[in-house]
Amino acid sequence: GAGVSQTPSNKVTEKGKYVELRCDPISGHTALYWYRQSLGQGPEFLIYFQGTGAADDSGLPNDRFFAVRPEGSVSTLKIQRTERGDSAVYLCASSETGVLSGNTIYFGEGSWLTVV
Amino acid sequence: DQQVKQNSPSLSVQEGRISILNCDYTNSMFDYFLWYKKYPAEGPTFLISISSIKDKNEDGRFTVFLNKSAKHLSLHIVPSQPGDSAVYFCAASKLGGNTPLVFGKGTRLSVIA
Repeated sequence: GAGVSQTPSNKVTEKGKYVELRCDPISGHTALYWYRQSLGQGPEFLIYFQGTGAADDSGLPNDRFFAVRPEGSVSTLKIQRTERGDSAVYLCASSETGVLSGNTIYFGEGSWLTVV
Repeated sequence: DQQVKQNSPSLSVQEGRISILNCDYTNSMFDYFLWYKKYPAEGPTFLISISSIKDKNEDGRFTVFLNKSAKHLSLHIVPSQPGDSAVYFCAASKLGGNTPLVFGKGTRLSVIA
């Protein structure tokens, strides 16, 4: 597809369960980002991949959160032992590398996670 | 500690008038600024950007102004249209390193017909 694709679009899970959220970036984009947006807040940075490696994971809130991008394309955000406070929209974005791209990143529609 | 601040959570403007959305930043290392627009149940979409070597960038009805000394930028929409009603996020970064964007909390713009 032409844009960033995220699945599932909506996920309701019980407290304590494990959740995986998937992101398929724009073809050819080597940089991939995960953000989280809670109600009334702006997107909050979680982790950034350059290729297969996590270049910056300083935004991950704790060790229950983990993300992978094994082949440098699709990425999966994994949340263990979910808590009600994890409920948010999880946004994935991608961008080209290099100065010319100006760091413009393009977002998917998000995965709405509700922990009950 | 918020590095990017949008102090107005909401703004209402009449159709045809100018909408002015404001954004302040605290980190003097930021040299690239972007505005994103977000409709309900959709991801943010890129609107317009400006680097610190410029003080103005224009794209159709949208103009972004940057005042580096005041660490302030603004987005002007002229003329405002009902379809512009959305949440607008200001974001900042350091150019050239694919560093993560830092976002403000957003301003909800309502354009009234």
